[in-house]
Amino acid sequence: QVQLQESGPGLVKPSETLSLTCTVSGGSITSYYWSWIRQPPGTGLEWIGQIYHIGSTNYNPSLKSRVTISVDTSKNQLSLKLSSVTAADTAVYYCARTGIAAAGTPYFDHWGQGTLVTVSS
Amino acid sequence: SYELTQPPSMSVSPGQTASITCSGDKLGDKYACWYQQKPGQSPVLVIYQDRKRPSGIPERFSGSNSGNTATLTISGTQAMDEADYFCQAWDSSTVVFGGGTKLTVL
Repeated sequence: QVQLQESGPGLVKPSETLSLTCTVSGGSITSYYWSWIRQPPGTGLEWIGQIYHIGSTNYNPSLKSRVTISVDTSKNQLSLKLSSVTAADTAVYYCARTGIAAAGTPYFDHWGQGTLVTVSS
Repeated sequence: SYELTQPPSMSVSPGQTASITCSGDKLGDKYACWYQQKPGQSPVLVIYQDRKRPSGIPERFSGSNSGNTATLTISGTQAMDEADYFCQAWDSSTVVFGGGTKLTVL
């Protein structure tokens, strides 16, 4: 059974870069797409972006200028970097295994437990 | 940008059928997924590609999608089904989520 575990600082200062890692166990990271999704407290889900192990990516247009998602196949990890953060980036950040259905539609069939990142000075 | 609209909340009596809707322009031409999220937990995929159930999801969960509306139907709703439900679609190489529906079973 695949498991995902997010890790990284829980507090980031405004204007700095948020950096998170997701460690995948129970399966190879080279077999699927992988995504980052966030959820501000008490609100809904927002897709950040996805990556395939060969490096192809898709990003949410609203975040694209600040986001980098990468994969380290040797460590079975994916990472997220979000630059120039503000309080609006405060959220629970999830990594998720991504399946691809008909018409290239992604769906998220395994999720990490999520990690809360607060942006505050 | 593409938008998906869900009712913020709805309630259902135990044993009855709950139908949660998700509306978007020509949504029926796309594929919809649904997620269940209970308080303090990560979302769980309950329906993908409009009507497919992942392994381990009870048969009482079903989905449909036509016209401008996708629907998640929970037959014989149980108290354990009380949760937030989010729809999701794919448009212009971007994942879009609905705002979520809080389902209360009472």
